[in-house]
Amino acid sequence: DTGVSQNPRHKITKRGQNVTFRCDPISEHNRLYWYRQTLGQGPEFLTYFQNEAQLEKSRLLSDRFSAERPKGSFSTLEIQRTEQGDSAMYLCASSSIQGTSNYFSYNEQFFGPGTRLTVL
Amino acid sequence: QQQVKQSPQSLIVQKGGIPIINCAYENTAFDYFPWYQQFPGKGPALLIAIRPDVSEKKEGRFTISFNKSAKQFSLHIMDSQPGDSATYFCAATPYTDKLIFGTGTRLQVFP
Repeated sequence: DTGVSQNPRHKITKRGQNVTFRCDPISEHNRLYWYRQTLGQGPEFLTYFQNEAQLEKSRLLSDRFSAERPKGSFSTLEIQRTEQGDSAMYLCASSSIQGTSNYFSYNEQFFGPGTRLTVL
Repeated sequence: QQQVKQSPQSLIVQKGGIPIINCAYENTAFDYFPWYQQFPGKGPALLIAIRPDVSEKKEGRFTISFNKSAKQFSLHIMDSQPGDSATYFCAATPYTDKLIFGTGTRLQVFP
């Protein structure tokens, strides 16, 4: 399977615990995005990387959240001191941005299956 | 200005019907408008996308209509099937940036 993969698929934790999720993007995709989706809502942007550089972070990403993409390949999203409000589906997407500074290919983002987090 | 408004929230049609889902945006910097289909427990899957330099795009049974002056776009599903029952999200982005999603439309197609 050459799509975006995410692990674990489900995570149940107690409030106050730390959790870490992993995303493996489509091979050679240089952009990687994290989104959060709560029940009945559309995905909300959290942060994204181009290669190993984190280019933008949403205000939704409190200081308890941190994301990394070492070596520009897989990415991890860590939530420290989880709260019940963190319960959601965490989605990863990847895309390939190519071109010069004046022209880029379409930003077609391909999503993984998500990690469903439940904080008790 | 960053919002994408989507309607209706839910839609029920019979097999063969043509459900239409509408979206509106404010930010004129948006220039890429994809539609995603999501089944329960799965990530969103890209269905079809359009840029504002065309007014319509068709792929199989799915058609996007785009009205740049009204800042509105819609998804039409021709000859809908029970297997099309899913949640559909419109989205918008200023080209190479993050996606801004609508709130979703839950579609049910009955046989």
